[in-house]
Amino acid sequence: SQQGEEDPQALSIQEGENATMNCSYKTSINNLQWYRQNSGRGLVHLILIRSNEREKHSGRLRVTLDTSKKSSSLLITASRAADTASYFCATDDTGGFKTIFGAGTRLFVKA
Amino acid sequence: DVKVTQSSRYLVKRTGEKVFLECVQDMDHENMFWYRQDPGLGLRLIYFSYDVKMKEKGDIPEGYSVSREKKERFSLILESASTNQTSMYLCASSFSFRGRNGYTFGSGTRLTVV
Repeated sequence: SQQGEEDPQALSIQEGENATMNCSYKTSINNLQWYRQNSGRGLVHLILIRSNEREKHSGRLRVTLDTSKKSSSLLITASRAADTASYFCATDDTGGFKTIFGAGTRLFVKA
Repeated sequence: DVKVTQSSRYLVKRTGEKVFLECVQDMDHENMFWYRQDPGLGLRLIYFSYDVKMKEKGDIPEGYSVSREKKERFSLILESASTNQTSMYLCASSFSFRGRNGYTFGSGTRLTVV
């Protein structure tokens, strides 16, 4: 299976609720990134968290990283219909030379 | 606003055709990447380049080649298009090697090979 696997594959919530997406990975990493992709478009970089960081905030986004469990979570608070998109985690492993993307979580926010 | 521009949003080509996908960035980034995205498979790296005229194979280079004659332009070439190359193609660039400060992506080219 892939480095950087998101869970759940799809998530449907009401506007105003919080959305939590998880990412698991297999090898040691230098950093982990989260991206958003609106339907049929390219990916937009949201946030990067380094391996020596445990939590990072950016606006309504909160990312945590647990290197002992090789997992990360992305929390979107007070979700809006415009947050409807796919969300990907990407890991930069210490041994390789490339960033590896997961298959993504599809988030639907109903107005 | 910084940008990665892919020349076509949608493209339909016939089996056996030679296909060129163009990508241009205006951020003076040294590192550029081509990915393909398929449902359930995430993004898979085809080729990347860390300097002009330099190229490195990614995970799935078979059937593809690339060209980086100028720093701002990175072209993906399908030598003889096949139906299994129908996909969304995404170009990206980054300031740092391995995208440690994040990638900037283009809007993607959805290629259909018939």
